[in-house]
Amino acid sequence: EVQLLESGGGLVQPGGSLRLSCAASGFTFSSYAMTWVRQAPGKGLEWVSSVIPSGSATYYADAVKGRFAISRDNSKNTLYLQMNSLRAEDTALYYCAKGFTSYECWGQGTLVTVSS
Amino acid sequence: DVVMTQSPLSLPVTLGQPASISCSSSQSLVYSDGNTYLNWFQQRPGQSPRRLIYRVSNRDSGVPDRFSGSGSGTDFTLKINRVEAEDVGVYYCMQGTHWPRTFGQGTKLEIK
Repeated sequence: EVQLLESGGGLVQPGGSLRLSCAASGFTFSSYAMTWVRQAPGKGLEWVSSVIPSGSATYYADAVKGRFAISRDNSKNTLYLQMNSLRAEDTALYYCAKGFTSYECWGQGTLVTVSS
Repeated sequence: DVVMTQSPLSLPVTLGQPASISCSSSQSLVYSDGNTYLNWFQQRPGQSPRRLIYRVSNRDSGVPDRFSGSGSGTDFTLKINRVEAEDVGVYYCMQGTHWPRTFGQGTKLEIK
């Protein structure tokens, strides 16, 4: 069974940093692109970033480009999202998802709250 | 960016009746490989999104056959042929053809 388990969320002040993790199991992690999608409270889904299986190519939404960095450790079956210079508008539930053109499996999400 | 526009945004449906959600894109979703990367997701209250349909009309494993997807180019439809109570939630279309990936605003299905 495919499982994605996010962690690392929490309360952070504006301008602060957080690193999210997503532990994957039940599939060959190193063979699949992975993605982060976020959902602000009461709002819709927003694509944040994707990374190809090798990690050598990454993609970002304009809203996070230059502040967030996606990466992966295929030896640990883990996806990461390093978030710097956080803003109030980054407050959201962050999901990791398996896939590149489509997201066949999602984690339960980890909540990031940016507030002073 | 490709804008995904869903309608309606609110969909009250009587149990056992059909429902239909439209999704239109501001650009064609046909990729250079010939595939059309249009997906549908369901998000039940308090749950993570779940993919229902990929590449316009391919139903995911475990998705009831009352769900179907159709369309081409820029216009797509998700149909539920007999709504059940467990179908309550928000439905999103999403395109995986162009960067950045974009979602529709969501359609909230409720039981009348």
